[in-house]
Amino acid sequence: QITLKESGPTLVKPTQTLTLTCTFSGFSLSTSGVGVGWIRQPPGKALEWLALIYWDDDKRYSPSLKSRLTITKDTSKNQVVLTMTNMDPVDTATYYCAHRQGGSYAFDIWGQGTMVTVSS
Amino acid sequence: QSVLTQPPSVSGAPGQRVTISCTGSSSNIGAGYDVHWYQQLPGTAPKLLIYGNSNRPSGVPDRFSGSKSGTSASLAITGLQAEDEADYYCQSYDSSLSAFWVFGGGTKLTVL
Repeated sequence: QITLKESGPTLVKPTQTLTLTCTFSGFSLSTSGVGVGWIRQPPGKALEWLALIYWDDDKRYSPSLKSRLTITKDTSKNQVVLTMTNMDPVDTATYYCAHRQGGSYAFDIWGQGTMVTVSS
Repeated sequence: QSVLTQPPSVSGAPGQRVTISCTGSSSNIGAGYDVHWYQQLPGTAPKLLIYGNSNRPSGVPDRFSGSKSGTSASLAITGLQAEDEADYYCQSYDSSLSAFWVFGGGTKLTVL
C-alpha cells in the first residue's frame, strides 16, 4: 500500500524560503520508472503542478516557478524535499505530494496535503 | 489561467447523467497525451478517478467514464448520487514550454 505524507511549516514570512518534505512508503524511489511530484492548490482555486523527480534523479519544474524551486530525494529515508525561495502571499496554498503512476503521467496516490500560509 | 479549459460548474438531479468537458490544444491533448481525471471531495486531497482517458482505478464505480477526441476530453457520470458532489479536475501532459503536467481549472458538480 502506497502512502505519502507532507510535512513542513504552516506559516512562513514573505521573502523566506519554504522547505517541504514528502515522506512515503510502499514504494522505492530507486525503482525504475518511479516518480514523485508536488502540486499546490491556493484556497478556492485550481490545482497547479510544481515539480517532479524521477528515480534516476531527473527533475522537471514548472517553467513559471523554475527559478524558485528545487526538488531533491533521499532514497534511504524515502523522502522527497521541495524548496521554494522568496515566498510571497500569493504562494499561500495547500501543497500536495503525489506518486506518479508507472508508465503514465497521472498521479495515482496523493498525500493529505499541508497548508502553508505566507504572511508577515 | 489554466492550460486545460473546463466549465466552472455543472449540475444535475439524482439519477441523471452529466458530462464535464476538458479542452486543450495541439501541445497537450491534441498531441496524443492521455487525459486523467481527479475527484476532490470537500476538504480532501484529489483522488484519481480516470486514467489513460478511459480507465478506472480499482474501486471507482462504473458510473464514471472518460473519453477523448482530438484536443478535448470528457468525463461522464451516470446515475448521479449525492456523494458525487465534488470538484473534478482534468490533467494531461504538455510538450510546449508552458508546462509539463497541466491541470484544468476544475469543475464544481452540484447534485440538486
